Amino acid sequence: GAVVSQHPSRVICKSGTSVKIECRSLDFQATTMFWYRQFPKQSLMLMATSNEGSKATYEQGVEKDKFLINHASLTLSTLTVTSAHPEDSSFYICSARLVREQFFGPGTRLTVL
Amino acid sequence: GNSVTQMEGPVTLSEEAFLTINCTYTATGYPSLFWYVQYPGEGLQLLLKATKADDKGSNKGFEATYRKETTSFHLEKGSVQVSDSAVYFCALTREGGGADGLTFGKGTHLIIQP
Repeated sequence: GAVVSQHPSRVICKSGTSVKIECRSLDFQATTMFWYRQFPKQSLMLMATSNEGSKATYEQGVEKDKFLINHASLTLSTLTVTSAHPEDSSFYICSARLVREQFFGPGTRLTVL
Repeated sequence: GNSVTQMEGPVTLSEEAFLTINCTYTATGYPSLFWYVQYPGEGLQLLLKATKADDKGSNKGFEATYRKETTSFHLEKGSVQVSDSAVYFCALTREGGGADGLTFGKGTHLIIQP
């Protein structure tokens, strides 16, 4: 139980386009999901906290207009990278909270050409 | 702000060797501390946790003790196996219980040779 999926697992896009990444809790409901970003050989950095039915809370330094988060249901949160640029290329990981634990998705590798 | 520092890898050991991966933290208040493991091609999995000072988390032969006086949460295992090869992340939350987002260390790549 407590499985979290992400789609797509990897995506390549052209500079200037937008990309949507989905995070789903498959067998439980999650009022809170988190989005992280991981650079090569670096730690995971918390980008934002996604709460079902309300606006996401962004960490300092994260552009909310660039990284749009929508948590429209108890099992789905989406992260849209708008007008992507090469510096947005990274590994994006989501997690969903169940009681007092976070369960992580397998991540999405974004490459912006 | 909060931060986590863990030893740089890769760490290469022979099977059945003793493992220690150091982790120290900086945080205000009373954070909860975690170790996560990431096996090749998989998502992060919680390995163990401790929510207050002097608590010991343990799982699959791994242990870590929450040391408030030294702000440390070192991961240990008495006899490692090849299947323990993975990347290990030390992490903390701003409050107890994991209700908040996690602050991670950079991760330590562990390689166990037969």
